[in-house]
Amino acid sequence: KQEVTQIPAALSVPEGENLVLNCSFTDSAIYNLQWFRQDPGKGLTSLLLIQSSQREQTSGRLNASLDKSSGRSTLYIAASQPGDSATYLCAVDGSSNTGKLIFGQGTTLQVKP
Amino acid sequence: NAGVMQNPRHLVRRRGQEARLRCSPMKGHSHVYWYRQLPEEGLKFMVYLQKENIIDESGMPKERFSAEFPKEGPSILRIQQVVRGDSAAYFCASSQVTVGGYEQYFGPGTRLTVT
Repeated sequence: KQEVTQIPAALSVPEGENLVLNCSFTDSAIYNLQWFRQDPGKGLTSLLLIQSSQREQTSGRLNASLDKSSGRSTLYIAASQPGDSATYLCAVDGSSNTGKLIFGQGTTLQVKP
Repeated sequence: NAGVMQNPRHLVRRRGQEARLRCSPMKGHSHVYWYRQLPEEGLKFMVYLQKENIIDESGMPKERFSAEFPKEGPSILRIQQVVRGDSAAYFCASSQVTVGGYEQYFGPGTRLTVT
């Protein structure tokens, strides 16, 4: 059974700092991994999708890496800003390849001005 | 291109009533997923549908919950005889088939409160 874990559960950093969020999954047979952002009381915004054949994806100040063999992904945020404050969720599309996503519990990020 | 639409955004029901949640996928998307986020818990998959077909309902409670995605109109998640434990945020996502899998786009959610 696929399980997704995110560490840390919460993180508080000063503005401008570079930071790394971690995601691990127990079954390496995945089709892709998706990072989302969720603001309080809001829906999810897709940030990056990494296909199983890829090692990383970049979008602006965000960079996500994937190491299938070790069951790990990281989300790197460069030069953090107060507007980055949100909960970041990692989700994997497992072996069924039906798009059924298994989510981690999320990392709640606070960036202080 | 409008995103995934969900309505209502907030829904209050008394115990025993029925709740109907609607989801209109993004234009061109033929796959719909429903997820539930209970208070202080993560998002959990409920059901995956294509037009007129339920593909995977492994996350749906066996009783009181049903889902459909008709040929015309939005997808509906129906909860009969609601109980307080059904209070949660219900999110719909849609996707289209791509070579690398299914990138999902989420709606704003429906927050159900059962009193």
